Formats: sequence, C-alpha cells, structure tokens
Amino acid sequence: GAGVSQSPSNKVTEKGKDVELRCDPISGHTALYWYRQSLGQGLEFLIYFQGNSAPDKSGLPSDRFSAERTGGSVSTLTIQRTQQEDSAVYLCASSLSRIYNEQFFGPGTRLTVL
Amino acid sequence: AQSVTQPDIHITVSEGASLELRCNYSYGATPYLFWYVQSPGQGLQLLLKYFSGDTLVQGIKGFEAEFKRSQSSFNLRKPSVHWSDAAEYFCAVGVITGNQFYFGTGTSLTVIP
Repeated sequence: GAGVSQSPSNKVTEKGKDVELRCDPISGHTALYWYRQSLGQGLEFLIYFQGNSAPDKSGLPSDRFSAERTGGSVSTLTIQRTQQEDSAVYLCASSLSRIYNEQFFGPGTRLTVL
Repeated sequence: AQSVTQPDIHITVSEGASLELRCNYSYGATPYLFWYVQSPGQGLQLLLKYFSGDTLVQGIKGFEAEFKRSQSSFNLRKPSVHWSDAAEYFCAVGVITGNQFYFGTGTSLTVIP
C-alpha cells in the first residue's frame, strides 16, 4: 500500500476485555515496529519484527501483551485482560530491513480502557 | 541501560528566530541517531539521521543536527523558524545489538508570530 495502515483507528473497551490491534506495513518492508505513546511519556518501544521473527520481546510491558506477524506482512498486537493503564495510542512503523533505516509510521490506534 | 533525554519539554520561539532542540543519549557505542517530527494530526516523519561520517547532517525542511561524541549529544537546529514548524520533536536512538529503538519524551515547539 501507499503507507502504513492501522486498524481500528479508535477502540474503546471495558477493563478486562481482550483487544487486537492490526498493522499493515508498507509492501516490501521487512522490519516492523510497535510503540505505545502515552500523554507526556513519549514513545515507548514495544517490539520489533524482522520478517516474522521478533528477536527481543523484553519491551512488551507485561505478559498480557503479545504480538505476531505472519507472512512477513500484517502484524497483530494483542492485549489480554486490558487495564486502564493500557490506554494510549499504539503506533506501528515499518522500514526496509534493519533497525537503522527510516521508519514510516502509521496513524495509530487510540485505545481507551474504561 | 540505553536512554534518550530531551531536557526541554516545551519551547516557544518567535517566527524567524533560530532554534536548537537538545538531545542527549546514553549508550556504550556510537548509536544510530534520528530526529522525528510529529505535527498536529499527522504521523511521525523523519527529519534526519546520523550513522557515521560527517557529524553535521542535513535534513528536510531546513533542519540540521550535529553529533558530538564527547557530549553524547545530537542537537537539532534551524536558523529561521517558520510557523509551520510548530510540532512535537522526538530524538531517537537505534541499537543494533539489542534490536531496539528508543525515543526521547519529546519537545513541544510553539512558534509565535
């Protein structure tokens, strides 16, 4: 596609529910990143995929968070048993191969946990 | 642990004035350094990046940044600010060995006429 797309753009959920956030990277980009942006907190790195593999998952905030990428393309970030502190904008980015290439960001998914 | 510090949370400058946004990093080796801008309602966009070589790098929109190893800094500059430069600016560090990427907390820029 022309750019990185994310869905949904907004998600309101109740505490304790599971949510799935989707990222569709730019075609041909092998690297994919997830970040969380909270008010006044900047961007928090969550996870990086090279192809379908995530070399390091230590950035995920808790074991309620998981991410996968299939076919070297679409990625899903899943948050189980959501908590109010999970409310944030979740950003996805993609780049050509390695981590030092320019990242192209999607518009984000605004998650609100009530 | 690696970290990126942007000491200025908010800066206000007059249109036409010069600008310098500060960024300091903590990392054992020379990192990959970036500046991104996030305009209201827009996604993040890369302004410039430094990997190696000339320590003064030029970016888009008239921005430049200078890598100073001795100060662990990568400050962003612009000689004359335009009203359209009002945005949030993020400094970032890429760490190859850890396959991680760190952003600073951002500096919000307000431009007054």
